[in-house]
Amino acid sequence: GENVEQHPSTLSVQEGDSAVIKCTYSDSASNYFPWYKQELGKRPQLIIDIRSNVGEKKDQRIAVTLNKTAKHFSLHITETQPEDSAVYFCAASRPGNTGKLIFGQGTTLQVKP
Amino acid sequence: NAGVTQTPKFQVLKTGQSMTLQCAQDMNHNSMYWYRQDPGMGLRLIYYSASEGTTDKGEVPNGYNVSRLNKREFSLRLESAAPSQTSVYFCASRDISPSTDTQYFGPGTRLTVL
Repeated sequence: GENVEQHPSTLSVQEGDSAVIKCTYSDSASNYFPWYKQELGKRPQLIIDIRSNVGEKKDQRIAVTLNKTAKHFSLHITETQPEDSAVYFCAASRPGNTGKLIFGQGTTLQVKP
Repeated sequence: NAGVTQTPKFQVLKTGQSMTLQCAQDMNHNSMYWYRQDPGMGLRLIYYSASEGTTDKGEVPNGYNVSRLNKREFSLRLESAAPSQTSVYFCASRDISPSTDTQYFGPGTRLTVL
C-alpha cells in the first residue's frame, strides 16, 4: 500500500534560520500533498498543500516543492520564529472522492530564540 | 460554528472494557475520518466515511468499529479494549471544493487502556 517517509524526525534551528523537511511517497498515482502543523497538545491544522500539476507553492514564509519524477516533496520555512516550533506532518492522497490521507511520521521542529 | 467536536477528552479503560468515542461536525461536510496518533508513527487512518451511509476501513481497522449516524456524527467503538489501543484519537471532516481540500480535526481523545 501507500507509504510516506518523512525526514528528519527532529530538527533544531536558530531563530531566523531556514528549516527544510522532506517526504517521499511510494504511490505514483498520488496527486495531492498537504502539510499539517500540530502545536503541543493541540489538533493538527493544514498550513499549505500542493497538487501534482504544480511544482512549487508559496505562502509568506512557507513553501512546498514537489518532484513527481523522484516522488518527493519538501516543506521550506524561512526566517523561522519561536512560534514555528511544532510537529509537522506531510501526507499524500490519491485521486478520488475518499480523501484518504497517508501521513508521514512527523518532524518535531524546535526554533531556539 | 463549533467545527469538529469530540467526546470524551480523556478516558481510562481496563482491558476488555468497551467504549464509544463520539464525533460531530457542524460544517455540513460529507466525509469524516478517524485517526489514531502514536509517538513516532504519525497519524494513521482507522476508518473513514466518504459520505453519509458509507464507511470503509483505513490502515489500522482491527479492533474498531464505526457508525455514521447521520451527516453530522461519526462514532468509533472499541468492543474489547486492549493496551495496544492506548493512543490519542482524532476525528476529522473534509472540506472539498475547487479551491480547497482541507481536513479539519477535532481536539482529540486521549485514551489509556490498562
